[in-house]
Amino acid sequence: DGGITQSPKYLFRKEGQNVTLSCEQNLNHDAMYWYRQDPGQGLRLIYYSQIVNDFQKGDIAEGYSVSREKKESFPLTVTSAQKNPTAFYLCASSIMGRTEAFFGQGTRLTVV
Amino acid sequence: AQTVTQSQPEMSVQEAETVTLSCTYDTSESDYYLFWYKQPPSRQMILVIRQEAYKQQNATENRFSVNFQKAAKSFSLKISDSQLGDAAMYFCANIEGSQGNLIFGKGTKLSVKP
Repeated sequence: DGGITQSPKYLFRKEGQNVTLSCEQNLNHDAMYWYRQDPGQGLRLIYYSQIVNDFQKGDIAEGYSVSREKKESFPLTVTSAQKNPTAFYLCASSIMGRTEAFFGQGTRLTVV
Repeated sequence: AQTVTQSQPEMSVQEAETVTLSCTYDTSESDYYLFWYKQPPSRQMILVIRQEAYKQQNATENRFSVNFQKAAKSFSLKISDSQLGDAAMYFCANIEGSQGNLIFGKGTKLSVKP
């Protein structure tokens, strides 16, 4: 079945550590996105990518980094520079930038 | 700047009744898309309905329909014959520009009373 897979579902990080969230899609979509969702809040865009080896910052990119070495994969690294990383992270993809996005099931990151 | 505003943090509806969720947006583009997404307690984002800005006809998907007012930049969602399974967070979203930046509103929490 085609879809978007995020892993892990739950992730715990110690302060000062970098962690990487995985996002893989087999939908042959060009565009991929990372969003952060805090309790009672909407989705805020962290990074997005339209093509391989290219990506753009969203509204809250500070403390995060991404790569797009393959069309299918768009991993997000939460660095130690991110002061408040505890949140729910959603990855999405779309055929082109102007169509609806399909979402993964999310990763819940908690700093311990 | 591209913005999406949902002015109703919470709404409630009686089962089998109709409810309308509001959304306004601001865009500098003439060609853009609008979406409503549903997020149930499982937190899986589900596309409910989409509207292309160049289409004057309002989109409809079974019990879900939109009222798209382009001049007013308004995009409301109407849910008819509400069911218990409709209880969720609903997000309005807009995509515009050559880079296709998908922006969401803050959401409306819908409760359905039996």
